[in-house]
Amino acid sequence: EAGVAQSPRYKIIEKRQSVAFWCNPISGHATLYWYQQILGQGPKLLIQFQNNGVVDDSQLPKDRFSAERLKGVDSTLKIQPAKLEDSAVYLCASSVGPSGDTQYFGPGTRLTVL
Amino acid sequence: GENVEQHPSTLSVQEGDSAVIKCTYSDSASNYFPWYKQELGKGPQLIIDIRSNVGEKKDQRIAVTLNKTAKHFSLHITETQPEDSAVYFCAATLYGNNRLAFGKGNQVVVIP
Repeated sequence: EAGVAQSPRYKIIEKRQSVAFWCNPISGHATLYWYQQILGQGPKLLIQFQNNGVVDDSQLPKDRFSAERLKGVDSTLKIQPAKLEDSAVYLCASSVGPSGDTQYFGPGTRLTVL
Repeated sequence: GENVEQHPSTLSVQEGDSAVIKCTYSDSASNYFPWYKQELGKGPQLIIDIRSNVGEKKDQRIAVTLNKTAKHFSLHITETQPEDSAVYFCAATLYGNNRLAFGKGNQVVVIP
């Protein structure tokens, strides 16, 4: 079974530029998550989707971050404009359902903002 | 919200010895505690989890213990091998609510 796919794996941008990350979850997984992992810390949930609807985006900085999952499968996370403190690994995870199911993580996208 | 702390931040052990990582949590309502292993350049991978209706769970060389009264839970790795070298994260949540609160992680180094 294929795992969670993410691209790109690495991205370097200047502050104030925009960037987008793509995630394709495990086939059949209805729930998709985006996490931010700053160096030396654990992952922090940014947004959770159930199919194409948002379940939880309380920790998403909505002034600069946006995410969509239009057809309930793959998802895109965008940052516009980027700040230096956005440098982190952005992890996508998926699970079968929204409650109590194991979350499977992708390899992440490492973002460096200069 | 839930706050999870992990100790120690780095742990070095000789191959074959045991490693123990302890986590504390703040919200007494939390009842689901997974442990994730993260290798360099990869995403976290679930290795074991425990719910609050049991005190201990084992899976081959890995075990997790939970003390609800003290609000702490621990990961035990026995007969450590070089491939156990990684960062280990504990997390806590209310079962059914998939917003996991992660600790900062422990770097485990197994010395051959």
